[in-house]
Amino acid sequence: GENVEQHPSTLSVQEGDSAVIKCTYSDSASNYFPWYKQELGKGPQLIIDIRSNVGEKKDQRIAVTLNKTAKHFSLHITETQPEDSAVYFCAASTSGTYKYIFGTGTRLKVLA
Amino acid sequence: ETGVTQTPRHLVMGMTNKKSLKCEQHLGHNAMYWYKQSAKKPLELMFVYNFKEQTENNSVPSRFSPECPNSSHLFLHLHTLQPEDSALYLCASSQEFLGGYEQYFGPGTRLTVT
Repeated sequence: GENVEQHPSTLSVQEGDSAVIKCTYSDSASNYFPWYKQELGKGPQLIIDIRSNVGEKKDQRIAVTLNKTAKHFSLHITETQPEDSAVYFCAASTSGTYKYIFGTGTRLKVLA
Repeated sequence: ETGVTQTPRHLVMGMTNKKSLKCEQHLGHNAMYWYKQSAKKPLELMFVYNFKEQTENNSVPSRFSPECPNSSHLFLHLHTLQPEDSALYLCASSQEFLGGYEQYFGPGTRLTVT
């Protein structure tokens, strides 16, 4: 069936360094890829998304890249800060459906 | 967290109890969702409602019963649950349910079944 693989499951970086989280999807029809940040005790919060008609999108310190051929997409966080520590989820969805297929999450720890 | 609210935030119930989870969205969206979040597993879609009509029941056991009286409110009625049903239950909403619209999540209800 359809699935999204997410790596790594945990990631520790020093404050100020960059963090990269990678996802691979299986359904070639997927064309919408959101990223969510979930802090302790809270629900997932949408932080950035990308649609298949673009290869990269940036919002301040956060960027997402998409390689449709390889069915990969990645989240890049630059100049990490302690408040970036959270669990990050990727997801893949297809226009005309309501289903999001989520990755298993990456726990990011930014060390001060 | 004023977009999508959930109550209660925490719930402990015995296997013979009946309880309900409530979700309310203040975003003017037309679609609402229930997800189950368990440790080290992807988010599992349970139910989808579009314009109050149930669109999906993702093979969820009948001990979970959803209700959507209008596009802003969603309930999850629980009865005779099992310990393995302990999880974080998340409600989400989106503008429409087709077309890859962004889903916005509530803070969740942490459910513990004893």
